[in-house]
Formats: sequence, structure tokens, C-alpha cells
Amino acid sequence: GQQVMQIPQYQHVQEGEDFTTYCNSSTTLSNIQWYKQRPGGHPVFLIQLVKSGEVKKQKRLTFQFGEAKKNSSLHITATQTTDVGTYFCAAPNSGGSNYKLTFGKGTLLTVNP
Amino acid sequence: DAGVIQSPRHEVTEMGQEVTLRCKPISGHNSLFWYRQTMMRGLELLIYFNNNVPIDDSGMPEDRFSAKMPNASFSTLKIQPSEPRDSAVYFCASRMGPTSYNEQFFGPGTRLTVL
Repeated sequence: GQQVMQIPQYQHVQEGEDFTTYCNSSTTLSNIQWYKQRPGGHPVFLIQLVKSGEVKKQKRLTFQFGEAKKNSSLHITATQTTDVGTYFCAAPNSGGSNYKLTFGKGTLLTVNP
Repeated sequence: DAGVIQSPRHEVTEMGQEVTLRCKPISGHNSLFWYRQTMMRGLELLIYFNNNVPIDDSGMPEDRFSAKMPNASFSTLKIQPSEPRDSAVYFCASRMGPTSYNEQFFGPGTRLTVL
């Protein structure tokens, strides 16, 4: 089945530094979603990318979808302590079952104030 | 909107006991998912319902697990008998529409500990 590989698994930064997490697939994706889970919380939807080469911004967060629609990234500029959490990418299964998402293992971001 | 509601929030039980987790999806959402999250395996889809009908239960680990959705506003996930390896956080999520293009809304989760 569809797998999305996410790297790195962990990232520790000083407050103010930038952060990037990457999501890679061996197959072309129809769309990709990003979720954030705060420690002890539940995943919360951030954004969806659909078009090849798409770039979307939410304040300090920049999301990109690769030209081949096989990879995606989330970049946070000047991290803050409120950015702490696990960031997941999620993509639908290939082969027709477009109703469910496969989640990456996530990148845990910790920020040192 | 209250969001997706799950109960209980925490459950501690002994091996062999029956456990029932409950979920109320967001009103108007016709897709419902049960996930299990562990450190080792991440976020795994257990079962997916659309319009109260189970569409995909390929993620249900064993016959000890069962899920029902008797109506559009209620679903249960039952584990009988429970085992220590079932300890995890169980999330229910709902979505409007049948395709992956719509966002999923997760409940707060049930943290299950089986001793």
C-alpha cells in the first residue's frame, strides 16, 4: 500500500531558528495534507496541497508540493515555542482507494527558548 | 460546534476485560475513522465508515477488535478481551464527504492502558 516517508524523525532547534520537515512518496500523489499534533493533543489539520509545484503560506509556515507530486515539505521560519509538536504529512492510498489517508511517522519538533 | 467527542478520555483496565470506546462525530459528517497511535507504529487506521457502513476494516488487528456505527451520530470501538499490547491512544475522526480531499477532524482521543 501507499507509504509516505517523513524525515527527520526528530528536530530540536533554538527559538528563532528555521525548521523543515520532508515527506516523500514512491508514487505520484493526488493530494497531500499536513497535520500538527501538540504534545498530549490530537492531530489538527493545517493545509492541503493538490497542484504540482504548489506553494502555500500560513504566516511563518510554508508548504510545498513537488513538481512530480511525489514529495512535499513544511518549512517554519523563526520558530517559536508555540510551534512545538509533531508534524505529520498524510496522503491517500494509490490504486483507487481514495477515501483514506496514510500518515507519515511524523517529525517531532522541540524548541529551546 | 463541539467537534468530535470521544469518551472516556482515559481508560485503565486489566488484561482480559472488555473495553468500549465511544465517538460522536461532527454533525453532518458522513465519514468516520478509528485510528490507533503508538510510539512504535505511529498513527494507524483501524476502520473507516461511510454513511454508517463499514467500508474498510483491513486495519483492525484481530477478531478481538470490533466497531459499530448504529447511526450517524455514534460509533463504538470494542476490544474483547483486551491485552497489554492494546495500550495506545485511540482517536476517532470524522470528515464531510467520501474522498481524501476533505480534511479530517480528530477527537481528543482515548488513552487506553491495559495492565
